Amino acid sequence: QQPVQSPQAVILREGEDAVINCSSSKALYSVHWYRQKHGEAPVFLMILLKGGEQKGHDKISASFNEKKQQSSLYLTASQLSYSGTYFCGTETGANNLFFGTGTRLTVIP
Amino acid sequence: NAGVMQNPRHLVRRRGQEARLRCSPMKGHSHVYWYRQLPEEGLKFMVYLQKENIIDESGMPKERFSAEFPKEGPSILRIQQVVRGDSAAYFCASSPSQGGEQYFGPGTRLTVT
Repeated sequence: QQPVQSPQAVILREGEDAVINCSSSKALYSVHWYRQKHGEAPVFLMILLKGGEQKGHDKISASFNEKKQQSSLYLTASQLSYSGTYFCGTETGANNLFFGTGTRLTVIP
Repeated sequence: NAGVMQNPRHLVRRRGQEARLRCSPMKGHSHVYWYRQLPEEGLKFMVYLQKENIIDESGMPKERFSAEFPKEGPSILRIQQVVRGDSAAYFCASSPSQGGEQYFGPGTRLTVT
C-alpha cells in the first residue's frame, strides 16, 4: 500500500521549479505532504482532502487527482531552504498513513 | 503551544535490554501515531492510539513491541529484549483528529549494541 514517489532525487538551482509526484494503487481519501531535513523530524506542509483539490502556501502548492489516485507537489522559484526530503502520506480508509519512499530535493546557489 | 515532545532523544541499549520511548502529544491532541525510520528510508507506520485505546497496531511486530497511551501521561512505545535490527529512529506524531494533519516530534534515535 506504499505510494510511489517520483523522482527519487532532484537537484535544482535557486529560482528553478520542481514537481514531485505521488501515486497510489488504492483509492485515496486524502494525501498529506511533509518535508524532512536531515536529522530532523518531518514537518507538515499540507493536506488535500478532496479530489481535484489544490492547496498552496508561499511558493509551494499541491494538487490531488482522486480519479487517477495521484497527487503532485509543485515548488516554484525554489529557495535554498526548500532542500530536504519530501514525503507524501496517503490515507486509504485505514486508520493510518502510508508514506512514500521520499524525494530528495537539493537546491544549490 | 509546545510541540510534540519525545524523550529520550538518543537511547543506547545492549542486546536483550528493554527500551522505553516516550511521547507527549501537542496540547489538545488525543491521536498519537508511532513510526519507525531507518537511515535513508521512509516512515513506516507502527501503531495508532487514542487515549487509553489502541486503534490500529497493524504495523507493529507481534512480539517484543507494545504501546500504550494512558489517560494521564505520555504515550509509551516499549521494545523488550532489543536486537540490533531494532536500531532506528522512532518518531511519534499527534493529530487533533483521525485523518487530520500530523505533527511530528523530534524522534528518539535508538542504537542497540
